[in-house]
Amino acid sequence: TQLLEQSPQFLSIQEGENLTVYCNSSSVFSSLQWYRQEPGEGPVLLVTVVTGGEVKKLKRLTFQFGDARKDSSLHITAAQPGDTGLYLCAGDVSGSRLTFGEGTQLTVNP
Amino acid sequence: EAQVTQNPRYLITVTGKKLTVTCSQNMNHEYMSWYRQDPGLGLRQIYYSMNVEVTDKGDVPEGYKVSRKEKRNFPLILESPSPNQTSLYFCASRPTARSYNEQFFGPGTRLTVL
Repeated sequence: TQLLEQSPQFLSIQEGENLTVYCNSSSVFSSLQWYRQEPGEGPVLLVTVVTGGEVKKLKRLTFQFGDARKDSSLHITAAQPGDTGLYLCAGDVSGSRLTFGEGTQLTVNP
Repeated sequence: EAQVTQNPRYLITVTGKKLTVTCSQNMNHEYMSWYRQDPGLGLRQIYYSMNVEVTDKGDVPEGYKVSRKEKRNFPLILESPSPNQTSLYFCASRPTARSYNEQFFGPGTRLTVL
């Protein structure tokens, strides 16, 4: 059983569309991170959220941490082909151990 | 350039033949870890190290060994590889054990055990 459930697992959209990826758990996290991974490379950190209700923006990407710190979402506005990749959320329940979700594979078609 | 390096990047081997995947970081990070990535399962932690000579099991340690004799190096050892260890392996490091620190990943090692 995955501690972190990501949805959807696969998402294929057209350039210019908006999308939201979800990361849910029954556990409370002290912090949560979002990573993006491209083929042949390791994941790269996009953002860390630590406070319930926190919202962070990174250009066209908006990250939100749930009030109860059990869930998070990633919203992309006006997606571009360069946004294509595997998006991973990772939560920490202990202060030092990260647990990863299975990932959302995003494809943005020109 | 700050980075985590892994070698080899690709490896095909046979069941039972001992192998080592090296990992090195040049950022003076205390915390290092190994993950395996399998379709539908995400990244699962194999072993981690909070500092030199301090290592501990992650979620899937069976069949693996590690050592941390120097701060910069954290090799992953498969004493007797089996086909179920065919996977994509990532080494990662971060400044301290605190998970809100940015974690840096290596480029990955794709291992096939026949």
